[in-house]
Amino acid sequence: AQSVTQLDSHVSVSEGTPVLLRCNYSSSYSPSLFWYVQHPNKGLQLLLKYTSAATLVKGINGFEAEFKKSETSFHLTKPSAHMSDAAEYFCVVSDRSDYKLSFGAGTTVTVRA
Amino acid sequence: NAGVTQTPKFQVLKTGQSMTLQCAQDMNHNSMYWYRQDPGMGLRLIYYSASEGTTDKGEVPNGYNVSRLNKREFSLRLESAAPSQTSVYFCASSPGQGSSLDTEAFFGQGTRLTVV
Repeated sequence: AQSVTQLDSHVSVSEGTPVLLRCNYSSSYSPSLFWYVQHPNKGLQLLLKYTSAATLVKGINGFEAEFKKSETSFHLTKPSAHMSDAAEYFCVVSDRSDYKLSFGAGTTVTVRA
Repeated sequence: NAGVTQTPKFQVLKTGQSMTLQCAQDMNHNSMYWYRQDPGMGLRLIYYSASEGTTDKGEVPNGYNVSRLNKREFSLRLESAAPSQTSVYFCASSPGQGSSLDTEAFFGQGTRLTVV
């Protein structure tokens, strides 16, 4: 079975400053890893995904994440936060043990003007 | 291209009432999922269907039943609703077993259920 731990429940940043959202995973197989974003009262949108190709993954809206197998981490970053980045972010893992998607508890991002 | 369609979007039930949440996908995906979302707990898997004709329990299956009617449709039933089932419910689909993992899951827009 696989699992995900998001290390921060809330992150607050000023507009224009970097954003870092931390995610650690556990998987017995080579995992696929995803970051999803959910804006208030909306559904989930894929930001980016890691699927055993390049370890540095670029996604939409300037986000990127780096897969580090030795640290079992998949942290999400953005160099410069925008007000529209205020949302909840979920790290998700899937692997070939059962193809289920396991979600982290989520990180809520607030952006200060 | 509709993707994953859930109905209804909102529902209020009285304790003890039953209802079925409907979900359909048009992407020919093998796997379908039902999740519930509660504040501070992320999305928790209720039930999962790896392929047509199979279903498996997730983390929080108590009080729910599911039916994988065909490859497109996966419904979630609450037989006797309880206030603890007040939540936002999401259906999702993915290519799943027999395919590469290199494709993400697609989610419906959610059903906001309140049990009073």
